[in-house]
Amino acid sequence: NAGVIQTPRHKVTGKGQEATLWCEPISGHSAVFWYRQTIVQGLEFLTYFRNQAPIDDSGMPKERFSAQMPNQSHSTLKIQSTQPQDSAVYLCASSPDSLEQYFGPGTRLTVL
Amino acid sequence: GDSVTQKQGQVTLSEDDFLFINCTYSTTTYPTLFWYVQYPGQGPQLLLKVTTANNKGISRGFEATYDKGTTSFHLQKASVQESDSAVYFCASPRAGGADRLTFGKGTQLIIQP
Repeated sequence: NAGVIQTPRHKVTGKGQEATLWCEPISGHSAVFWYRQTIVQGLEFLTYFRNQAPIDDSGMPKERFSAQMPNQSHSTLKIQSTQPQDSAVYLCASSPDSLEQYFGPGTRLTVL
Repeated sequence: GDSVTQKQGQVTLSEDDFLFINCTYSTTTYPTLFWYVQYPGQGPQLLLKVTTANNKGISRGFEATYDKGTTSFHLQKASVQESDSAVYFCASPRAGGADRLTFGKGTQLIIQP
């Protein structure tokens, strides 16, 4: 069991550029969650999928953030026109039953 | 308001000291509660869960007990080691059983050798 895989581990973008973050959930897990972690705000929920269907995106900033899960083996989080305030660690978690969640190592996004 | 509240931002102990980290929950919180631990450069790891069915979770020497009277599920460990240095988060699913987790602000545990 390789655990949740997130790539890249670190990403640096210039202001206004696009960033795409990848997540490979644990095989057999039906739910995938995205969170964002900053020093100031802590861990914040963004969005989640169950059986590839979007269930709740209430934590997503509407204008520039989008998430997809095209198949059961990966999900992507895309941020268009990145801003310095988007700098954070983006965490993906998967769950077999939507209660116990298992996190990946995160992608540290730095927007210059 | 928050579903879970951690008031201690940092706790500093020596090896073999007793650990007690506060966490309180809202009365509308779904009755399964979690403790996660995060080491530098890693994502949070599930440490233990507590349900109303068993009222207590135990893992790796850590223990948390569900206390409805005080709406708390504090984390305890009898004797900490330097390797326990990390950030500890309590978390609960959103009220009503929805699946997203709400996390406390985290407590950084520093163990001095």
